Amino acid sequence: GAGVSQSPSNKVTEKGKDVELRCDPISGHTALYWYRQSLGQGLEFLIYFQGNSAPDKSGLPSDRFSAERTGGSVSTLTIQRTQQEDSAVYLCASRSGTLPTDTQYFGPGTRLTVL
Amino acid sequence: AQSVTQLDSQVPVFEEAPVELRCNYSSSVSVYLFWYVQYPNQGLQLLLKYLSGSTLVKGINGFEAEFNKSQTSFHLRKPSVHISDTAEYFCAVSGPGNTGKLIFGQGTTLQVKP
Repeated sequence: GAGVSQSPSNKVTEKGKDVELRCDPISGHTALYWYRQSLGQGLEFLIYFQGNSAPDKSGLPSDRFSAERTGGSVSTLTIQRTQQEDSAVYLCASRSGTLPTDTQYFGPGTRLTVL
Repeated sequence: AQSVTQLDSQVPVFEEAPVELRCNYSSSVSVYLFWYVQYPNQGLQLLLKYLSGSTLVKGINGFEAEFNKSQTSFHLRKPSVHISDTAEYFCAVSGPGNTGKLIFGQGTTLQVKP
C-alpha cells in the first residue's frame, strides 16, 4: 500500500518568508510525528499528534514553528519568518496501533533551504 | 534525560567482511531501542527493535543487535556486508512518556567498498 508522503520534496525560500510543509500519513494511522534532520543537530523530534488528543509540542524549537493535523489525517508544519538555521530535511512519520513501540513509518522528507 | 551516542561517524568496510556499528544510550528508566537505516535520498526504515525479552534481536537484511543493560549498549552487527548496505544508520531510544517519540544518535555512515 501507499506509504507516508510529503510535499514538496524540495523547497527553497528567502529568509523571512513563511513556508508550509505537508505530510500525508498512511491511511488509518492515528499517530503522526514530525522530525527535523540537520547537519548541526542530527535528527530531532519536533511534534507528535495522537488522535484527538492535544499534541506534544515539546520539540518545537521556537514559536515560529507550528503544526496542525486536520481531520486526524493530513498534517501541515508551518515555519514563519524563516531563518537560515531552519534549513534542514523535515521528516514525517506515522504509526498505527495504540502502543508507542509500534513501528513508525517515515516519509521521504522535505528538504528546506533558506537563502 | 535520555540520550544516544553512536561512537563512530563513519565505518569503512570491504564487501563480505563483518561489521559492527556501536551505540550506547543513557537512561534512568527502562528503554526501548531501535536501529533505523537511511539510504541516499530516502526516508528512514526500521531495521530492528528491542522491546523486552531476548537480548539478541534479529532484523531485516541479515542485521542483528544485542541489548546489553550493564554496558548500556545496543550494537548493530552483520556477519557479511554487501555493497547495497552502504547507507546511514541511526540508533534511537524511545523517549519519556507514552508518545513513542524517538531520540536519535548522530548516525553512522557505513561505506562498503568492493
